[in-house]
Amino acid sequence: DAGITQSPRYKITETGRQVTLMCHQTWSHSYMFWYRQDLGHGLRLIYYSAAADITDKGEVPDGYVVSRSKTENFPLTLESATRSQTSVYFCASSDGTQGRYNSPLHFGNGTRLTVT
Amino acid sequence: TQLLKQSPQFLSIQEGENLTVYCNSSSVFSSLQWYRQEPGEGPVLLVTVVTGGEVKKLKRLTFQFGDARKDSSLHITAAQPGDTGLYLCAGAGGGAQKLVFGQGTRLTINP
Repeated sequence: DAGITQSPRYKITETGRQVTLMCHQTWSHSYMFWYRQDLGHGLRLIYYSAAADITDKGEVPDGYVVSRSKTENFPLTLESATRSQTSVYFCASSDGTQGRYNSPLHFGNGTRLTVT
Repeated sequence: TQLLKQSPQFLSIQEGENLTVYCNSSSVFSSLQWYRQEPGEGPVLLVTVVTGGEVKKLKRLTFQFGDARKDSSLHITAAQPGDTGLYLCAGAGGGAQKLVFGQGTRLTINP
């Protein structure tokens, strides 16, 4: 089915470990985004990508790495997980036809990450 | 830093009542989006408003963009339990090179 899928849905990891969250979309949307959602902070942009091999920092990029070798995939890696990175992570995509920031976002169902 | 403030943060009302959720900023936005998020799922777009003063209706939901494009409201008429969820507004443009999200309004409609 077409859509945007994230994996895993739940992940528990230890402080200092590297963990990668996966995101795959079937729409061939140009733009892809990673957000984290925390109580009291709403959704905050971590990284985004305008196309394959083009990525840029968002509001809270420290401690995260992204890559986009293929249009449909946009993995997010926590290089050395910290407890402050415990959060729910959402991947989103958009076609950008109404502009980078005006086009509606299509979200995955999130990955709940706990760092112990 | 651009901020979008939503009010109230929490709202619990009885089925059949009307309610309004507000999304305010001191910045001007080129457009404003409203999303609804249910537990365990990602936000889903409800509507985008673009023109100052614009009103859009989605069944019992009415969305309005302020004349100055700094604020927006969501009004629900005769709320139903199926309206329960987290409502998020998000503003685009206005100098911030990103989509800015409000903290959300958690709405509970009791049967």
